[in-house]
Amino acid sequence: LAKTTQPISMDSYEGQEVNITCSHNNIATNDYITWYQQFPSQGPRFIIQGYKTKVTNEVASLFIPADRKSSTLSLPRVSLSDTAVYYCLVGDAIRGNTGKLIFGQGTTLQVKP
Amino acid sequence: DADVTQTPRNRITKTGKRIMLECSQTKGHDRMYWYRQDPGLGLQLIYYSFDVKDINKGEISDGYSVSRQAQAKFSLSLESAIPNQTALYFCATSGLESDDEQFFGPGTRLTVL
Repeated sequence: LAKTTQPISMDSYEGQEVNITCSHNNIATNDYITWYQQFPSQGPRFIIQGYKTKVTNEVASLFIPADRKSSTLSLPRVSLSDTAVYYCLVGDAIRGNTGKLIFGQGTTLQVKP
Repeated sequence: DADVTQTPRNRITKTGKRIMLECSQTKGHDRMYWYRQDPGLGLQLIYYSFDVKDINKGEISDGYSVSRQAQAKFSLSLESAIPNQTALYFCATSGLESDDEQFFGPGTRLTVL
């Protein structure tokens, strides 16, 4: 499984856009990139997933360059409630060969008023 | 997510005791997982099951065992609890259509004295 590297922590202020970058130099051809969010004492929650270029949903955008060795989670106009740990995961999403996702330390985002 | 429930939510026990943590899901998913999380760290995979007859060890299976009693139920046991098993335990499920989107339960906080 590809190893991921992301910043341990980040600070931001309400209303700002936050970009969290994850490095995954050994990503395999079949690997998707997935981001989860975790609030204290709660289970992680799926945010977004992508394979290449750009993916956007109601919560975030995910930017993936052509070489796929990194990805950037973008949170537009954060609020205090976005304070959480964000995990970048890389795993084989081909049906029947996956399930074994590895969560690293994640990035603790602190949003200040 | 109410679709994945865990019991108990909190448990304090003593060294050497046998403990069982239970997980139930109503999402109809075949795949279920057990993770542990230590303070300030990411999640580590203990065991995972792709269906009732398929159980696999994760990163840190030593000292743990599991039972997949039915599609909807996946239990984690500590045969003889030790203090360094004090942690937050999460159960998760995923479907075949999107393996990387795992749905997590609320967690069980276990303290071993």
